[in-house]
Amino acid sequence: AQSVTQLDSQVPVFEEAPVELRCNYSSSVSVYLFWYVQYPNQGLQLLLKYLSGSTLVKGINGFEAEFNKSQTSFHLRKPSVHISDTAEYFCAVSDPLFGNEKLTFGTGTRLTIIP
Amino acid sequence: KAGVTQTPRYLIKTRGQQVTLSCSPISGHRSVSWYQQTPGQGLQFLFEYFSETQRNKGNFPGRFSGRQFSNSRSEMNVSTLELGDSALYLCASSFPPPGTGDRYEQYFGPGTRLTVT
Repeated sequence: AQSVTQLDSQVPVFEEAPVELRCNYSSSVSVYLFWYVQYPNQGLQLLLKYLSGSTLVKGINGFEAEFNKSQTSFHLRKPSVHISDTAEYFCAVSDPLFGNEKLTFGTGTRLTIIP
Repeated sequence: KAGVTQTPRYLIKTRGQQVTLSCSPISGHRSVSWYQQTPGQGLQFLFEYFSETQRNKGNFPGRFSGRQFSNSRSEMNVSTLELGDSALYLCASSFPPPGTGDRYEQYFGPGTRLTVT
């Protein structure tokens, strides 16, 4: 069975500072990896995804993530955050056999930007 | 292009009642997935429908069921509601026609917030 661990439930960061949100996964098979963002009272929006190929993935809003197979990690980074980045961020994994229609999510990291 | 719509947005029900939630996917998308989001359990996969057939199912009791219509709209039903069913229910649509979009992007609706009293 697959599982996703987001160790940090809350991350406060000053505006214009860099941020890294950590994600580790556990799976006995190859996986697809995703990061989603959820703004208050909204659904989820896909930030970026790793399916195969280059381990450095660039997404929307200046975010990027690096797939590290040996450490089973998929950490999300942004070099300079803005107030508008305040939201909850979810890492998710799926089995390629199921495409991305059956996602296993982490518990989320609430990112708070301090002015 | 219109996004995923879910109705109703908010719902209050009493224990023991049943409820039906509706999801209209993006036009042309063939797959609809449902997730339950609670503060305690986080986001959990309920089930996924593709071309009117349930393809995947999560670990939820039989009180949770769903269906998909020929126009890809989907409904989920919860019978004999329990207090623990209070949650945000999200649906996501994906699987656009070939050549029209990203096969691996799921588009989420705003959710239906169900409160069971």
